[in-house]
Amino acid sequence: DVQLVESGGGLVPPGGSLRLSCAASGFTFYQSWMTWVRQTPGKGLEWVATIKNDGTEKTYAESVKGRFIISRDNDKNLVHLQMYNLRGEDTAVYFCARDRTTSFDIIVVPGALDIWGQGTTVSVSS
Amino acid sequence: MVMTQSPATLSVSPGERVTLSCRASESVDTNLAWYQQRPGQAPRLLISGASARAAGIPARFSGSGSGTEFTLTISSLQSEDFAIYYCQQYNTGPLEITFGQGTRLEIK
Repeated sequence: DVQLVESGGGLVPPGGSLRLSCAASGFTFYQSWMTWVRQTPGKGLEWVATIKNDGTEKTYAESVKGRFIISRDNDKNLVHLQMYNLRGEDTAVYFCARDRTTSFDIIVVPGALDIWGQGTTVSVSS
Repeated sequence: MVMTQSPATLSVSPGERVTLSCRASESVDTNLAWYQQRPGQAPRLLISGASARAAGIPARFSGSGSGTEFTLTISSLQSEDFAIYYCQQYNTGPLEITFGQGTRLEIK
């Protein structure tokens, strides 16, 4: 079965750190771009970060740039989101998703998010 | 880039036909996706490329539009279709992708 399973969420105080992981199975992970999206009741769905299939390119939303780091381990079919200096507004359910973006040399063809995990909850509070 | 969905909430009866709208603040060509989210679940891709149904999506779901104006039509609402629907532009991906605020379909 095609599956993404997130883990690592929890309660963390403001200024704290947390590392989320997403385990992929059932598809060719090393060929797939991956994206993190978060959801809060007040702001709906918000794109967080994207990583190229080989890990050489990473992009971030302005709201997390400089605080979050996306990475991947293609040997273990894992994608991670390391979060530093967490704020209350980072409280959300975090989803990982397979991104159908592809690239050929310097040409990037953007794509939709076709597989989603069930999400992991991050709460930032003292 | 701002994606604006309308209406925010729509009350409809099973069996009815419904059309949801999504407007982009600038052209996204046809790089537009629609997702369905049921309570307690992750979003599910319905439509990509503005009009291409994803695998396993019933034919009662259809998408249209290009540039800045898009619609999602559900031809005959089933009970399982009452959910929240989001549009998403990925034209500026992977530098930025943007979601609309969602349209909630409620049972009348």
